[in-house]
Amino acid sequence: DQQVKQNSPSLSVQEGRISILNCDYTNSMFDYFLWYKKYPAEGPTFLISISSIKDKNEDGRFTVFLNKSAKHLSLHIVPSQPGDSAVYFCAASPLTPRAGGTSYGKLTFGQGTILTVHP
Amino acid sequence: DTAVSQTPKYLVTQMGNDKSIKCEQNLGHDTMYWYKQDSKKFLKIMFSYNNKELIINETVPNRFSPKSPDKAHLNLHINSLELGDSAVYFCASSPPGREETQYFGPGTRLLVL
Repeated sequence: DQQVKQNSPSLSVQEGRISILNCDYTNSMFDYFLWYKKYPAEGPTFLISISSIKDKNEDGRFTVFLNKSAKHLSLHIVPSQPGDSAVYFCAASPLTPRAGGTSYGKLTFGQGTILTVHP
Repeated sequence: DTAVSQTPKYLVTQMGNDKSIKCEQNLGHDTMYWYKQDSKKFLKIMFSYNNKELIINETVPNRFSPKSPDKAHLNLHINSLELGDSAVYFCASSPPGREETQYFGPGTRLLVL
């Protein structure tokens, strides 16, 4: 029962073009979404996030779009660079009914998409 | 000046053995986590500690026991190792109020023969 899915195991793009990585989720309780990037032999690193009250968040070359009705989010990288080649994980967090509304970091990750950017 | 470190990086052992993986963070974070990345590449949370208190305890066999001697350390002890325990184990930590923004260690690659 995978609640966060990244259906494309890999994506290959040319340097300078746009990379679009997709993620779908099934749990309506998810309230906050994140993208993490992972290089080989390293742990994931936080890239960008979005709250469910927004539909877009931008940080430099990276933009995350959220479509709540479709339970879908995407990460756009423009322009793509060879250094962006990595595994990208989508993650989701619920808003649990605790004092202060923290989920205490309970993230559900997708299985990752391998992005290769060719020079 | 590594932020989140794990030892060992690689661990090869026989079925039935007991092993420990250590994790330390020097970021001053209050919350630490253990994740397992299985052969299908999903990262699944196992445990979370906040100021040495167990907060998240997912459905994990009780052969796995986390221990937090202080808020900078979270160790994972595994008893009676099984073939299915072979995976990459990641430790992570997060700052107060931003628990979703997690800082991961480099991972420990465990192979059970």
